[in-house]
Amino acid sequence: EAGVAQSPRYKIIEKRQSVAFWCNPISGHATLYWYQQILGQGPKLLIQFQNNGVVDDSQLPKDRFSAERLKGVDSTLKIQPAKLEDSAVYLCASSPLAGVSYNEQFFGPGTRLTVL
Amino acid sequence: GEDVEQSLFLSVREGDSSVINCTYTDSSSTYLYWYKQEPGAGLQLLTYIFSNMDMKQDQRLTVLLNKKDKHLSLRIADTQTGDSAIYFCAENSNYQLIWGAGTKLIIKP
Repeated sequence: EAGVAQSPRYKIIEKRQSVAFWCNPISGHATLYWYQQILGQGPKLLIQFQNNGVVDDSQLPKDRFSAERLKGVDSTLKIQPAKLEDSAVYLCASSPLAGVSYNEQFFGPGTRLTVL
Repeated sequence: GEDVEQSLFLSVREGDSSVINCTYTDSSSTYLYWYKQEPGAGLQLLTYIFSNMDMKQDQRLTVLLNKKDKHLSLRIADTQTGDSAIYFCAENSNYQLIWGAGTKLIIKP
């Protein structure tokens, strides 16, 4: 079974530029998550999709971040314009079910973003 | 607010046991998890425990849960160099995972 795929693996941009990340979850997984992981911290949930609907985006900085899940499968996360404090690893995860207590999430390798 | 706490570093000698501790906040959490993150790799579920259990053992791993104190620990027996990683504790709260900052396990030869 293929895992969660993410691209690119690394990205370096200057502040005020735009950037987009792509995620392909495990086939058949209904729920997709985007996390931001700043160095030395645990992952912080940015947005959670169930199929192609948004379940929770309360921690997404909506003035600069946007995300969509195309046809309930792939997802893109965009930052426009980027700030220095957006430097982090962006993790995508998927899980087969939502709204259940046991919630194993399968993670991709992440995209490391550096904003100069 | 929600806050899962862990020590940032743990250093042990190869062959010794490692014990990584975590405190969580939501007493209604039904599952608690340990994830492992190796350099350049994604987070991987290591083990989990259901809240009605006190202990779970899986080969070299032992998870202990003290619900009264909201304390979770992960013991790795016979620690090997391949165990070098960051270990994250996470609790399931409102169907989302709340994460600690991670404990970096350093193995001394």
